[in-house]
Amino acid sequence: DTGVSQDPRHKITKRGQNVTFRCDPISEHNRLYWYRQTLGQGPEFLTYFQNEAQLEKSRLLSDRFSAERPKGSFSTLEIQRTEQGDSAMYLCASSPSPTGDPSNQPQHFGDGTRLSIL
Amino acid sequence: QKEVEQDPGPLSVPEGAIVSLNCTYSNSAFQYFMWYRQYSRKGPELLMYTYSSGNKEDGRFTAQVDKSSKYISLFIRDSQPSDSATYLCALKRRYSSASKIIFGSGTRLSIRP
Repeated sequence: DTGVSQDPRHKITKRGQNVTFRCDPISEHNRLYWYRQTLGQGPEFLTYFQNEAQLEKSRLLSDRFSAERPKGSFSTLEIQRTEQGDSAMYLCASSPSPTGDPSNQPQHFGDGTRLSIL
Repeated sequence: QKEVEQDPGPLSVPEGAIVSLNCTYSNSAFQYFMWYRQYSRKGPELLMYTYSSGNKEDGRFTAQVDKSSKYISLFIRDSQPSDSATYLCALKRRYSSASKIIFGSGTRLSIRP
């Protein structure tokens, strides 16, 4: 069990550029989540996948954001035409299949990708 | 009103002290309660995960849930400088297909040697 892996750890880009982040979940975890965290705040939910299906998106996820999990393993989060307000830590989490209650499995987080917009 | 309220601190205590961290929440639909520890520039690390009211102990950590008061606590005994971090309370609704976590804003804790 190598934990949730995220790449890159830090991304610096100019406003207006596109960026893509990658998340590799814990193997055999079929649920994968993306969160965003700004300074002094807790993480906020963006979207989640069960296998390759994207089942929920937060209203925080504007049209400039897109997430994929094409084979139900790793996931990518792309931000197009980045804006200053996109500067944040983007966190990925995964959890195993629930047993009974679909909420009953804890989520394990990666160390995030820190995005800085110049 | 936020769904989860957590005092941001910072909280500074001497090494060896007992630390008490707390959160209140407003919606009784929350049934799963967690505490995460987050070091600077790292992701949240799960410390405690509870479902029912009452206490759960793991080493120096005790999580306490009072559903009637909508109040959750984390106690750290014999605190160490390595416990210096931000502590996030987190909640989930039961039978939620999304099972997304709602986090508090975090309490920054510093243990003085």
